[in-house]
Parts: sequence; C-alpha cells; structure tokens
Amino acid sequence: GIQVEQSPPDLILQEGANSTLRCNFSDSVNNLQWFHQNPWGQLINLFYIPSGTKQNGRLSATTVATERYSLLYISSSQTTDSGVYFCAVEGGGTGNQFYFGTGTSLTVIP
Amino acid sequence: ETGVTQSPTHLIKTRGQQVTLRCSSQSGHNTVSWYQQALGQGPQFIFQYYREEENGRGNFPPRFSGLQFPNYSSELNVNALELDDSALYLCASSQTGTYGYTFGSGTRLTVV
Repeated sequence: GIQVEQSPPDLILQEGANSTLRCNFSDSVNNLQWFHQNPWGQLINLFYIPSGTKQNGRLSATTVATERYSLLYISSSQTTDSGVYFCAVEGGGTGNQFYFGTGTSLTVIP
Repeated sequence: ETGVTQSPTHLIKTRGQQVTLRCSSQSGHNTVSWYQQALGQGPQFIFQYYREEENGRGNFPPRFSGLQFPNYSSELNVNALELDDSALYLCASSQTGTYGYTFGSGTRLTVV
C-alpha cells in the first residue's frame, strides 16, 4: 500500500497564529484529500487536492504531486480549528481505499 | 440532503461476542466504505461495497464481513470479537465516478 507520513504529530498554537501541516506520500496518487476530525469523531473534508493549490477562507492547500507531498496552511488560527487533521490518498492501482496518515493534532489556545 | 448516519454511537461487547454496526449512506451516494480507527491512529480501510457486493478489501480477517442493501445502506459484522477490535468504526459514502466522500460520526466499540 501507499505510505503516508504527516508532520508534525502535535502542534500547539496561540489563537491568531499561522501554521503549516505537511503530508508526504510514497507513490503516485489520483486522489488526495485533507480532513479535519472533530471531537465527535466525524471526518470533515477540507480539500480534494491531488495537485495544485486551493484556498477556502483561512485554509489553503498545495500538493506537489511530482515530489509527493502536500501542505495544509491554516492562517489566523481560531480555537475552533482544534482537532486532528488527516491527509488521505488513493492510488491508481490500489483499488478504492484511502490510505490515511497518523494525523496532526492541533490545539489552539486563546 | 441527509448526511451519513451510523448506529449505534457507542457499544460495549465482551470478547468472543459478535457485533453488527449500521450505516445509512448520504442521499445520492451508491458506495459505502468502512474504516477502523484505533486510538491515536489514522483510519484503516476495512472494505467497500458497491451494488451490494464487496468491491475492495483491506488487510482484515474474514471475521469482518459486510452487507449492502438495495437502498445503499450497509452493515459491518464482526465475529469472535477480540480486545484489539476496540476502535472507532467509520462509514463513508460516495458516488462512483466522483471524489466526494462523506463520513459519518462513527461507532465507538469497546471490547472487554
């Protein structure tokens, strides 16, 4: 399967600070998504981004497929951004499954 | 449109017992995938169902089985429960040909 590594594993920020989360993956992918897992366990899709750059409000993401990494940027962080962020990939030859990283646990303190 | 709903939300079972978890897919979605998430880990793919048949399986033993019904809802069955089966079980629905996945809030299973 595809190996997915995320860094850092844990991050504590003051409200208003910016952060960058990284996702490295071991093979070519046709689907890469970033998710936020809320305290109730639900995974909320943030971006579908197999390549290129996208922005949605204070969040943006960039995937460099040729170098097999993706970055999630959070600007002006808020306490509601707290939770675990996962990168998940699907490969062309790996059927219909997502491979998830171990996540980045973000805590934003007021 | 309704999202993905899973039931029950929490469950405690004894080692050796059997359990059935349920998932109702989002309206308009015809595919259901199941994932197991151990504490502190990322979700791991169990299997996917499409047109009421298994359409891909992860590295899980046969005691993990599933069903999909004509209305696209799904069940995950686990036989002979082991302590290591304690985890959050997540269901995701999608529509073939698209990349949009909707996850439910999961069922937290504790095996004692």
